[in-house]
Amino acid sequence: DQQVKQNSPSLSVQEGRISILNCDYTNSMFDYFLWYKKYPAEGPTFLISISSIKDKNEDGRFTVFLNKSAKHLSLHIVPSQPGDSAVYFCAASRASGNTGGFKTIFGAGTRLFVKA
Amino acid sequence: DTGVSQDPRHKITKRGQNVTFRCDPISEHNRLYWYRQTLGQGPEFLTYFQNEAQLEKSRLLSDRFSAERPKGSFSTLEIQRTEQGDSAMYLCASSLRTSGRGNEQFFGPGTRLTVL
Repeated sequence: DQQVKQNSPSLSVQEGRISILNCDYTNSMFDYFLWYKKYPAEGPTFLISISSIKDKNEDGRFTVFLNKSAKHLSLHIVPSQPGDSAVYFCAASRASGNTGGFKTIFGAGTRLFVKA
Repeated sequence: DTGVSQDPRHKITKRGQNVTFRCDPISEHNRLYWYRQTLGQGPEFLTYFQNEAQLEKSRLLSDRFSAERPKGSFSTLEIQRTEQGDSAMYLCASSLRTSGRGNEQFFGPGTRLTVL
């Protein structure tokens, strides 16, 4: 079952404009939502996260919005830069029973191209 | 470099052979995760350790897969009697219990397995 979905496999944006990456989820029990960025031949790198009790978190050029009623979150990058070109993974995590751990479910990713 | 390291980076093997991968997490991280990623997909959770205890295993982890984390430091993932369907990128990640950012995970570069 795909609990975290990224329906756009790719997105192309002009340098300086806003990039909006979208993500939908199905499980209302998730505690946190995270975005990771991945360059070729590297592992994913954490970008920004948001708690399920918040609706917005901002860090520099990156802002994540959470709409719990719609089970939807989005990552806004503004202004977009060519170095932002990468694959972006949406992820959702929840506490795993009483083990004290977190289980993280990843979406399939969206490849962002920022054109100079 | 004090990031997560994985060895080897690439492994080509014949069907039916056993393979073992190693992951060295960031030294102070007590949580360690293994994921599998195939083309066009996000990382899929395989298993999770807190210190030396393996606390969760995905149903994706068949009985041909086994993971260990002796002494709560490095971890190994072994695949016995490899099949062509095991061809994938195997990612290791580590995190701190008290991350406070929804279990932000630090990923290694991955081991790419090709089963001929």
